[in-house]
Amino acid sequence: EAGVAQSPRYKIIEKRQSVAFWCNPISGHATLYWYQQILGQGPKLLIQFQNNGVVDDSQLPKDRFSAERLKGVDSTLKIQPAKLEDSAVYLCASSLVALDSYEQYFGPGTRLTVT
Amino acid sequence: LAKTTQPISMDSYEGQEVNITCSHNNIATNDYITWYQQFPSQGPRFIIQGYKTKVTNEVASLFIPADRKSSTLSLPRVSLSDTAVYYCLVGDRLNFNKFYFGSGTKLNVKP
Repeated sequence: EAGVAQSPRYKIIEKRQSVAFWCNPISGHATLYWYQQILGQGPKLLIQFQNNGVVDDSQLPKDRFSAERLKGVDSTLKIQPAKLEDSAVYLCASSLVALDSYEQYFGPGTRLTVT
Repeated sequence: LAKTTQPISMDSYEGQEVNITCSHNNIATNDYITWYQQFPSQGPRFIIQGYKTKVTNEVASLFIPADRKSSTLSLPRVSLSDTAVYYCLVGDRLNFNKFYFGSGTKLNVKP
């Protein structure tokens, strides 16, 4: 079974530029998550999708971050404009069916450096 | 949302059993306890989940006392490859899988 795919693996941009990350979850997984992990900290949930719909985006900085999951499969997370404090690893995860499912499968992450 | 408290770091030696305790004093009735492992430059990986008493799989055991205000992840006979960060999460498994990561415990296994 293929795992969660993410691209790019690394990205370096200057502040005020924009950047986009792509995630392809495990086939059949209805729930998709985006996390931000700053060095030395645990992952912080940014947004959670159930199929096409947003379940939780309470920690997403909506003035600069946006995410979409068209057709309930792939997802894109965008930052515009980026700030220095956005430097982090952005992790995508998916899980099977929301109710009574418990295991999230994580991708390798995208390491973003904002200079 | 139940907050969790874990030791920042732990040291162990190869072949020893390691117990990592997590405190979650305000755990709710519907909350489950889940543990993840994360190696450098990788995403977290699910280890085990439980609601009460004891759960065991091929990797670890999870002990949860009757009051559920804490839990202990037990790793039998650790090896150098078990050096990682271990996260304890508490959340409502039946509420769209809402779990939140804390800062985790950095386990350092020495030869």
